[in-house]
Amino acid sequence: NAGVTQTPKFQVLKTGQSMTLQCAQDMNHEYMSWYRQDPGMGLRLIHYSVGAGITDQGEVPNGYNVSRSTTEDFPLRLLSAAPSQTSVYFCASSYGVSKSYEQYFGPGTRLTVT
Amino acid sequence: AQSVTQPDIHITVSEGASLELRCNYSYGATPYLFWYVQSPGQGLQLLLKYFSGDTLVQGIKGFEAEFKRSQSSFNLRKPSVHWSDAAEYFCAVGGGNEKLTFGTGTRLTIIP
Repeated sequence: NAGVTQTPKFQVLKTGQSMTLQCAQDMNHEYMSWYRQDPGMGLRLIHYSVGAGITDQGEVPNGYNVSRSTTEDFPLRLLSAAPSQTSVYFCASSYGVSKSYEQYFGPGTRLTVT
Repeated sequence: AQSVTQPDIHITVSEGASLELRCNYSYGATPYLFWYVQSPGQGLQLLLKYFSGDTLVQGIKGFEAEFKRSQSSFNLRKPSVHWSDAAEYFCAVGGGNEKLTFGTGTRLTIIP
C-alpha cells in the first residue's frame, strides 16, 4: 500500500491564483481530513469527510473548498490564494470512529503565497 | 469544546537521559488520546494511543504514556533517548465526533 499520498510537495502561488492540492489513499478509509500546520499553532482542521459525497467544515475552513467524489480522493481547492494561506498542508485518513481511529498522514504540501 | 495544552514549546535533553513530555487535555467525556511524532520534513506518525483500559500504554520506539484522569494529563515518557528521537511531538484528543484536536507541539532537541 502507498498509504496517503499528496501532490505537489512544494508550490509557490501569487496572490489571487487558484490551485488544487491533491490527496489520495489506498486503504479504503472512510474518513479523510485536511489540516494546516503553522509555527506555534500545531495542526488545525480545515475540512473533513466521513465518506464519499459527505464533507464538513473544520476549525479554519475559510478560503478552502473540498469535495469527495470517491473514497480514495479528497482534493483541497484554494480559489483565490492569499498570503495568510502560506502553510504546510497535511491530508490524513482513518477508518473513523468505529475502528482504531488512528489517522494516517501524508507527507505534506508546503505552500507559499507571495 | 475539547482542547489540548502542551506547555513546553522546546525541550533539550542529553542522549541517554530520560524524557517526559507533558500533555493536558480538556474533554467532556472519556477521551481518545494520542501522541504523534513528526520528523523534519515528514508527516506525522502515531507513537501510541489510549482509548480505555490500562492507563499505561506502550508505543513504538520505546515510548510510553500514562493517562491520569484526575490530572487530565497524558504525559509521554522514554527512559533513555536516542539522537534519532529529535523531532516534534504532538499530543491530540478526540472523541465520538471523529475530529482530533492537536496541541501546539513540543520540539525535542538531543545533545550528545
